[in-house]
Amino acid sequence: QKEVEQDPGPLSVPEGAIVSLNCTYSNSAFQYFMWYRQYSRKGPELLMYTYSSGNKEDGRFTAQVDKSSKYISLFIRDSQPSDSATYLCAMTAQGAQKLVFGQGTRLTINP
Amino acid sequence: DAGITQSPRHKVTETGTPVTLRCHQTENHRYMYWYRQDPGHGLRLIHYSYGVKDTDKGEVSDGYSVSRSKTEDFLLTLESATSSQTSVYFCAITTDRVGIGYTFGSGTRLTVV
Repeated sequence: QKEVEQDPGPLSVPEGAIVSLNCTYSNSAFQYFMWYRQYSRKGPELLMYTYSSGNKEDGRFTAQVDKSSKYISLFIRDSQPSDSATYLCAMTAQGAQKLVFGQGTRLTINP
Repeated sequence: DAGITQSPRHKVTETGTPVTLRCHQTENHRYMYWYRQDPGHGLRLIHYSYGVKDTDKGEVSDGYSVSRSKTEDFLLTLESATSSQTSVYFCAITTDRVGIGYTFGSGTRLTVV
């Protein structure tokens, strides 16, 4: 079993919908959680970063971490066609030297 | 991407030839990473470096070697390229605070024929 599980999709929703993307993990030592967005033929770019549990909001994006359930989520409100991309979750433990990535979920927002 | 460049951006090479990909950073970051990305597999770590001349293997290191003789440069060498190494290769960098995430390069698209 992988340390981080993420449904690869694809996920297709209409413009304006609320999108929920999720990852589960097995390592209870993980404390730092990230979401990356990757457009086609581009490198991943850091979208959101969260430490430990709780919520973090940035414009239309909200990241949630539930450490008790080992579950993280990214919500996109009022989704736009420009949000169409692959979203990767990533996480790591204190003092670790590298991130552990989910497989990525391909998201398409239809106009 | 600002502060990190990969070269070449595209390369076609023949089976059995050695190939070297370069990652160059201007951020003076400690950590540098090489990943490959393939459909159905996501990002897979090949090798990483935690300082000049300090490197370690990732999950898919067979057939690859790396070198870091200067803080700013991290080289990935395919010793004898095979068709299974056709992929998109990404370099990433980060500071001592790995938990704040990586900055990725734009990638190198390698085709082995």
